[in-house]
Amino acid sequence: NAGVTQTPKFQVLKTGQSMTLQCAQDMNHEYMSWYRQDPGMGLRLIHYSVGAGITDQGEVPNGYNVSRSTTEDFPLRLLSAAPSQTSVYFCASRGPGQEAFFGQGTRLTVV
Amino acid sequence: AQSVTQLGSHVSVSEGALVLLRCNYSSSVPPYLFWYVQYPNQGLQLLLKYTSAATLVKGINGFEAEFKKSETSFHLTKPSAHMSDAAEYFCAVSRSGNTPLVFGKGTRLSVIA
Repeated sequence: NAGVTQTPKFQVLKTGQSMTLQCAQDMNHEYMSWYRQDPGMGLRLIHYSVGAGITDQGEVPNGYNVSRSTTEDFPLRLLSAAPSQTSVYFCASRGPGQEAFFGQGTRLTVV
Repeated sequence: AQSVTQLGSHVSVSEGALVLLRCNYSSSVPPYLFWYVQYPNQGLQLLLKYTSAATLVKGINGFEAEFKKSETSFHLTKPSAHMSDAAEYFCAVSRSGNTPLVFGKGTRLSVIA
């Protein structure tokens, strides 16, 4: 049982480049979310989805885009990377009434 | 809006001493409450969760937490710290079983030999 899988684990981007962080879960969870983790800030919600075709913004959505075409996948797109987006990104999924299950994270550096 | 406050960004205890990590929440409805642990360069692992059953919740690795509605608190405790408990701990709240988790800023626990 793989749980939540994120790729890549590490990425370095130049300012202005775009990229997609991948997230897949095999638990058939309707709810999925993306967080960013910065020192001293905890985890802040970027976007979330309550099912295929349904997404909503979290606390820090600017500069990020998401879509949810299948239950399993919830990719996060950086449209034009900025140094302020240097962070560790976590994807999570959650079943009804359950805890959130997290991927291992993607460490992104924007130079 | 929900929020979580973790008192103390860094807590240091001696090996064998009591661990107490504080968490206060605000929520307009009875919440779901969680404690997660994060070891260096890893993802988040669930320690325990409160979902309106027993107010004293036991988790993994000897940790437990007590839900106190009157104090809006969900403090995490462990009677005797081990070196392996050194990590960052996050408290989180959600309004219902299918809504986003809101996290506190975390508390880094150091254990001194």
